[in-house]
Amino acid sequence: AQKITQTQPGMFVQEKEAVTLDCTYDTSDPSYGLFWYKQPSSGEMIFLIYQGSYDQQNATEGRYSLNFQKARKSANLVISASQLGDSAMYFCAGSSFGNEKLTFGTGTRLTIIP
Amino acid sequence: EAQVTQNPRYLITVTGKKLTVTCSQNMNHEYMSWYRQDPGLGLRQIYYSMNVEVTDKGDVPEGYKVSRKEKRNFPLILESPSPNQTSLYFCASSLWRLAGGNEQFFGPGTRLTVL
Repeated sequence: AQKITQTQPGMFVQEKEAVTLDCTYDTSDPSYGLFWYKQPSSGEMIFLIYQGSYDQQNATEGRYSLNFQKARKSANLVISASQLGDSAMYFCAGSSFGNEKLTFGTGTRLTIIP
Repeated sequence: EAQVTQNPRYLITVTGKKLTVTCSQNMNHEYMSWYRQDPGLGLRQIYYSMNVEVTDKGDVPEGYKVSRKEKRNFPLILESPSPNQTSLYFCASSLWRLAGGNEQFFGPGTRLTVL
């Protein structure tokens, strides 16, 4: 079984600042993958970034990067140079190899302040 | 255009009246899944399917049924809806296994209200 925890229900960040969204995961599986999704107020779900448990380097996708600390079981999303359009709900999710369930955290609502 | 479509987008029904929410993808994806989203709970997986005729339970399958007779379609069936199934439902698909990093494409969502 896998559990994903997002402890920040909401965050306010000044435009152009970097922001870190926290995610911790609890799994006994040795091989797993972690995802981050964005949900704007319009409601659609948008894939942002993925990190595999055996990946040697932290994943990056444009302004998004994943600070993956295996020993701490954390997979925090870092958004550099935040923009007003980054205001949204952000969900961390995890899936194990061999068991293709996907478990989501409860989300963090990020608000970027001009 | 590559997409996942769901119908209907909005539905208000009454307790016990069977309903089906359709989901279709045009990307030849192997993996399809249904989620429900409730305030404060995030998204929870209801059922998923790795291939035609192969379905598995997610974390909250009670009260739901699915079928995967064709690769492109993955309908969600509520045989006897109850008010606690009032929620926002998402269908999603991905090329193959999630844990390998395959991106999931989500449908626009179906907002269901059961009175």
